[in-house]
Amino acid sequence: DADVTQTPRNRITKTGKRIMLECSQTKGHDRMYWYRQDPGLGLRLIYYSFDVKDINKGEISDGYSVSRQAQAKFSLSLESAIPNQTALYFCATSGVNRLSGNEQFFGPGTRLTVL
Amino acid sequence: DAKTTQPPSMDCAEGRAANLPCNHSTISGNEYVYWYRQIHSQGPQYIIHGLKNNETNEMASLIITEDRKSSTLILPHATLRDTAVYYCIVRVNNAGNMLTFGGGTRLMVKP
Repeated sequence: DADVTQTPRNRITKTGKRIMLECSQTKGHDRMYWYRQDPGLGLRLIYYSFDVKDINKGEISDGYSVSRQAQAKFSLSLESAIPNQTALYFCATSGVNRLSGNEQFFGPGTRLTVL
Repeated sequence: DAKTTQPPSMDCAEGRAANLPCNHSTISGNEYVYWYRQIHSQGPQYIIHGLKNNETNEMASLIITEDRKSSTLILPHATLRDTAVYYCIVRVNNAGNMLTFGGGTRLMVKP
């Protein structure tokens, strides 16, 4: 979805390096999420944020940190990358709608390889 | 959120209806059924959701059994571009919007 962008799209890094993945959205949504996907598996939630001052850990937050710089921006950092963090990373956003569903809109993904 | 069970894979002939089942026998009264799909490593895409009534939109139809313990996603005229992994997710609406993805069903649409 072009309304949710992720940079970089592909990244190869070495063990121990710090790396930041960035996500931007133009949908005006308050809620943003970071997921990772390993080959053949479903997505797992790393962190989520319901507004600029709200950050919450997801299912697999160890080894990751996030920053919500603005409503439209949510960054994921790996402070010291390790090989088992090699995965496909997705950012997602959602709005709030009491009457209908709160579907999430996903970015195109970042393929991260840690050597 | 209630757990879901889906077949790991299915085939469908192009132009035919694809019927993807999902079991959610422990669903609670306030939990919705959502369907997403993921086309070859792209970001997942929302398809449809429902509570207890059948739903239809431009992409698909969702049939939920009366006891709500199972549902079926129907793609009425499958095309090759519908080849994807389809995820059935059961969750409370507005519960933080968090989605729990299982293994999904890998649908292969064949010419």
